[in-house]
Amino acid sequence: KAGVTQTPRYLIKTRGQQVTLSCSPISGHRSVSWYQQTPGQGLQFLFEYFSETQRNKGNFPGRFSGRQFSNSRSEMNVSTLELGDSALYLCASSLEGPTGTDTQYFGPGTRLTVL
Amino acid sequence: AQTVTQSQPEMSVQEAETVTLSCTYDTSESDYYLFWYKQPPSRQMILVIRQEAYKQQNATENRFSVNFQKAAKSFSLKISDSQLGDAAMYFCAYKKEYGNKLVFGAGTILRVKS
Repeated sequence: KAGVTQTPRYLIKTRGQQVTLSCSPISGHRSVSWYQQTPGQGLQFLFEYFSETQRNKGNFPGRFSGRQFSNSRSEMNVSTLELGDSALYLCASSLEGPTGTDTQYFGPGTRLTVL
Repeated sequence: AQTVTQSQPEMSVQEAETVTLSCTYDTSESDYYLFWYKQPPSRQMILVIRQEAYKQQNATENRFSVNFQKAAKSFSLKISDSQLGDAAMYFCAYKKEYGNKLVFGAGTILRVKS
């Protein structure tokens, strides 16, 4: 079974631009979560989507948004990019079984550099 | 809010030896999940081991085992017979019983010497 895939793997943008990152979960997984990883702040939760609905949100400004499609694929968007948005963005998917909780499996990440 | 603390920024171990990575957490919940993830230089986050708080028995996965002390809110990872491939950043993570928000510690860099 294929793992979580993220595209693109690397991205360079300039301040003020916007960017869209894509995540395809493991087949059958319905929950997708996004995390930002930076040397200074570590790993921080952005948001989680389940059945096309945002179920949980971290403490990030409104410039960060996301969505999930009917096939569970997810995208996150960052508008008006700032230098501080340079980070590794990780996507994770989980099966979401009847108990309501499952292990999350991570993709390889998208490295975003804002110049 | 829940917090996870990894007090060891960096650890070293000789190949074939045993090393223990520490993790403490703070929560008022009674049911939750704890994880150790490994992130090698390739940056792919890999699940090492998972522990359900309601289970008293410590989780074990081959050479990896945990010491889960619920009352002390401690969750350490023991790696036995360390291998060069174990070199990576290790993250301890907490998750509430429901939902998929992971709260991560700052990480511990593990170096394995040959």
